[in-house]
Amino acid sequence: QSVLTQPPSASGTPGQRVTISCSGSSSNIGSHTVNWYQQLPGTAPKLLIYSNNQRPSGVPDRFSGSKSGTSASLAISGLQSEDEADYYCAAWDDSLNGVVFGGGTKLTVL
Amino acid sequence: EVQLVQSGAEVKKPGESLRISCKGSGYSFSSYWISWVRQMPGKGLEWMGRIDPSDSYTNYSPSFQGHVTISADRSISTAYLQWSSLKASDTAMYYCARHEGRYTSGLTWGQGTLVTVSS
Repeated sequence: QSVLTQPPSASGTPGQRVTISCSGSSSNIGSHTVNWYQQLPGTAPKLLIYSNNQRPSGVPDRFSGSKSGTSASLAISGLQSEDEADYYCAAWDDSLNGVVFGGGTKLTVL
Repeated sequence: EVQLVQSGAEVKKPGESLRISCKGSGYSFSSYWISWVRQMPGKGLEWMGRIDPSDSYTNYSPSFQGHVTISADRSISTAYLQWSSLKASDTAMYYCARHEGRYTSGLTWGQGTLVTVSS
């Protein structure tokens, strides 16, 4: 019952493009920027996309983010085996006065 | 380089108390909020609460209010998460994370502290 809604799973073959959606409300995504995190197995989450569509240094340009209204999405193009991970969206929420996360999407590279 | 280094894994019994730590380095510790995030085994990320180290103001998620205490010691650039009476359901990985700005979900993460509560 996460505040932000993501599909629990996604998959693709190497080289394909996949997108992961994140749906929220006016108190979070509608009012604040969205950030995306990648969590590889057994590791801490890592900031992948910040401020809706910005990549930290070192993140390949295969990863891109967008936001419209109360929804956001993460796109991964040229899928690679090392992209297999859990992906989380996050936003500040005015009602909670804190951070809300999506439930996470497990990406499988077939 | 900004780093958050957390204390090591803990194994505790139900009813015991515990405090875990998160030491910041490579930046002005007082200038950035610190949040704590729980990840139960095989589950997603849950925001627990945050502290502003400049004045020790805290706010908690209703799900964790009254169950944990977040504090900070600016003099040693360290934030803490503590329990007075652990339960088996507190078994989880706990991450501290630095907010990259106020009222933002952009976070830089520590490596995590695994807490296991078992009789």
